[in-house]
Amino acid sequence: EADIYQTPRYLVIGTGKKITLECSQTMGHDKMYWYQQDPGMELHLIHYSYGVNSTEKGDLSSESTVSRIRTEHFPLTLESARPSHTSQYLCASSLRDRHGYTFGSGTRLTVV
Amino acid sequence: LAKTTQPISMDSYEGQEVNITCSHNNIATNDYITWYQQFPSQGPRFIIQGYKTKVTNEVASLFIPADRKSSTLSLPRVSLSDTAVYYCLVGDGITYNTDKLIFGTGTRLQVFP
Repeated sequence: EADIYQTPRYLVIGTGKKITLECSQTMGHDKMYWYQQDPGMELHLIHYSYGVNSTEKGDLSSESTVSRIRTEHFPLTLESARPSHTSQYLCASSLRDRHGYTFGSGTRLTVV
Repeated sequence: LAKTTQPISMDSYEGQEVNITCSHNNIATNDYITWYQQFPSQGPRFIIQGYKTKVTNEVASLFIPADRKSSTLSLPRVSLSDTAVYYCLVGDGITYNTDKLIFGTGTRLQVFP
């Protein structure tokens, strides 16, 4: 019954391609986040947003960019994919003044 | 941000109670304690949250001592499907600079038949 959706679920793409990972939530949450996670490793925050037109970089440096033009939509873009970008990307959202995140199912990206 | 420390891994058998303890010595007055569960290739899922004493829901219980410097997630009668990574996080969810909840390495729970 997920209310936060990520597409695609899996993506294999060649080096140098531009890609956009989609994340949408229908809960009206104002805060949204992108995490990067390698298999068996911890999650690293790479981007977050506190609302429309708000975007900030997270604790892990990333070559990706994000935008927040609509409350429900928080896409992540890689202008030129590289094998080092191979990872799982997880999107999450939460309400301001609330203490829990809702996560999407993730996008597993493989750059060949 | 309050840093948390958890055991890297734990093993259990089906039907047993599992207690996972998390240390958070620098927890702030406004911080809540939240636990998440993550299965392979999925996003973390909220399990339980508390501020002090004891919280119980249909999935787990959370015990928090008076000093709040640690917390214990209790899973009653675990099954094979409880095999997952469990994360303990602290944060106030409100303050702009401190509510970017940081996930540590978590505790990898393996349940055996």
